Amino acid sequence: DIVMTQSPVSLPVTPGEPASISCRSSQSLLYSNGHNYLDWYRQKPGQSPQLLIYLGSNRASGVPGRFSASGSGTDFTLKISRVEAEDVGIYYCMQALETPYTFGQGTKLEI
Amino acid sequence: QVQLQESGPGLVKPSQTLSLTCTVSGGSISSTTYYWSWVRQPAGRGLEWIGRIYTTGSTNYNPSLKGRVTISLDTSKNQFALQLSSVTAADTAVYYCAREDGIGISFGLDVWGQGSSVTVAS
Repeated sequence: DIVMTQSPVSLPVTPGEPASISCRSSQSLLYSNGHNYLDWYRQKPGQSPQLLIYLGSNRASGVPGRFSASGSGTDFTLKISRVEAEDVGIYYCMQALETPYTFGQGTKLEI
Repeated sequence: QVQLQESGPGLVKPSQTLSLTCTVSGGSISSTTYYWSWVRQPAGRGLEWIGRIYTTGSTNYNPSLKGRVTISLDTSKNQFALQLSSVTAADTAVYYCAREDGIGISFGLDVWGQGSSVTVAS
């Protein structure tokens, strides 16, 4: 299985400040079609996970522009340009290159 | 707008079979552009992908579940189901059903149910 590793585990942030989460995979997620099969999800307290980013850098429908993602191969980053209070939750990366899909252990963003 | 809703027993005895159903509304489970998936989350822990099914009945499962999992479709009811046999306390979790957009290319798990909490205990 592809192992996904996120850092940091916990991320204290101040509203209005930027935040960044790192995700590394044990093997390249770059497919022959040029896409990186890496998603980002956010799980707010008491809620189901929500898709933020797919194929490495594409914002899902309805996701605010302050969220961006980058990276290729085995190293990926999710960035929030200016954190808002509603952004609290646990952020997960997930590889969708091959089954079984695997998630990172999560990064808890705290205000 | 597509919505997913899990249903099933909240308590299952050890060694028995956990059975959950996900009802799809606002869209057809027979669509050729989606997979229908299950993901679980033990209390206070991370997410684990269980498996998925396509409209043809083709499935992919997580080998970590050692052949105990079966995912099936009921197109007449627009539902898909999860069965996990020989359960133990380690299978206690919130179980989510989700839709994966894209075949041959994944656009992510874009729609999720609200989750169904299952406890394995005697």
